Amino acid sequence: DAGVTQSPTHLIKTRGQHVTLRCSPISGHKSVSWYQQVLGQGPQFIFQYYEKEERGRGNFPDRFSARQFPNYSSELNVNALLLGDSALYLCASSLGDRAQHFGDGTRLSIL
Amino acid sequence: AQSVAQPEDQVNVAEGNPLTVKCTYSVSGNPYLFWYVQYPNRGLQFLLKYITGDNLVKGSYGFEAEFNKSQTSFHLKKPSALVSDSALYFCAVRDITGANNLFFGTGTRLTVIP
Repeated sequence: DAGVTQSPTHLIKTRGQHVTLRCSPISGHKSVSWYQQVLGQGPQFIFQYYEKEERGRGNFPDRFSARQFPNYSSELNVNALLLGDSALYLCASSLGDRAQHFGDGTRLSIL
Repeated sequence: AQSVAQPEDQVNVAEGNPLTVKCTYSVSGNPYLFWYVQYPNRGLQFLLKYITGDNLVKGSYGFEAEFNKSQTSFHLKKPSALVSDSALYFCAVRDITGANNLFFGTGTRLTVIP
């Protein structure tokens, strides 16, 4: 079975722009979470969705938003990009409350 | 609030020697603890988890972890290190408020020397 897939793998944007990152969970997984990993640090929780409902939100500004679709795939949107948004964005899916499985991430660079 | 700490940024070990990567946790109540490994330009791979039960948890690739409630620790171990084990290791604890999200440590870079 395919693992968690994320697209695109790399992205370069300029300050003030908007970005949409996409994630397809492992087949059968209804929970999707998003994390931001800044270089040299551990991942920081952004959002969690379960059955298309937001289940949790980390300490990120309102410029960050997400949604989950009926097929359980998910999008993370970031508006008004700042230099500090440069990071690896990780998506993880899980079956209920079992261990999360991560994709390889989208590396976002802000110029 | 819950958190984990990884006191060592870097651990070096010779190939064939046992390895230990340290993690301590701070949680009100029973912790759900995890270890993940990250290779360059990749996401995180799940190694093992502790939910309840036996304090010695066995995971993928020959790794195991020992849960110690009195010392609030969850150290990752392997009896014989391989060069291919060289990677970044993260300890994590699940949010106890009901969501399934994880709080990660800052990571420990393991280098296995041939």
